[in-house]
Amino acid sequence: SAVISQKPSRDICQRGTSLTIQCQVDSQVTMMFWYRQQPGQSLTLIATANQGSEATYESGFVIDKFPISRPNLTFSTLTVSNMSPEDSSIYLCSVREANQPQHFGDGTRLSIL
Amino acid sequence: QKEVEQNSGPLSVPEGAIASLNCTYSDRGSQSFFWYRQYSGKSPELIMSIYSNGDKEDGRFTAQLNKASQYVSLLIRDSQPSDSATYLCAVNENNFNKFYFGSGTKLNVKP
Repeated sequence: SAVISQKPSRDICQRGTSLTIQCQVDSQVTMMFWYRQQPGQSLTLIATANQGSEATYESGFVIDKFPISRPNLTFSTLTVSNMSPEDSSIYLCSVREANQPQHFGDGTRLSIL
Repeated sequence: QKEVEQNSGPLSVPEGAIASLNCTYSDRGSQSFFWYRQYSGKSPELIMSIYSNGDKEDGRFTAQLNKASQYVSLLIRDSQPSDSATYLCAVNENNFNKFYFGSGTKLNVKP
């Protein structure tokens, strides 16, 4: 399966600031996703990152708050904008090839003070 | 609304016993089914996938699928304390759609 590198692995940020999380894959993949996992909770899909076009957001998530880029088939970024303590979560990048299961990066543990 | 339901647990079993984890799903069009294991503080790790009715065995793990009843289960034989984790069930409609994840079942294997 593809090797997924996610950066940063963790960060502590101030309220009102923004953080960009990077997801790099060692091979071209068809689909890339961004998830959020709040403490003690399961995975919540934020959006599907589409190569060369706007991401497809799930209900409750908007582009202004979580802008996503995917300039090619191996790289994507998620920005968490104007952060508040409620954004403290683990953010996970995942990838999928057709006919294959989804695989996750190690995640970014984000705390907002 | 496509739903995947799991008992949140915790499910406690003694070491060496069989742990049985269950998952039901609402979408009859679902074709692919997966079990992920997530250790505390770690990201989910795929442990089993199953695509057709019946059982699929991989080492100590057996996945069972019954599409007519819309459930999928995971059996862990000879449970070990290292199996203590949260197990997430995921279903997928087709190869290009997103996954739907359950809320996970926390398993505790007691030495």
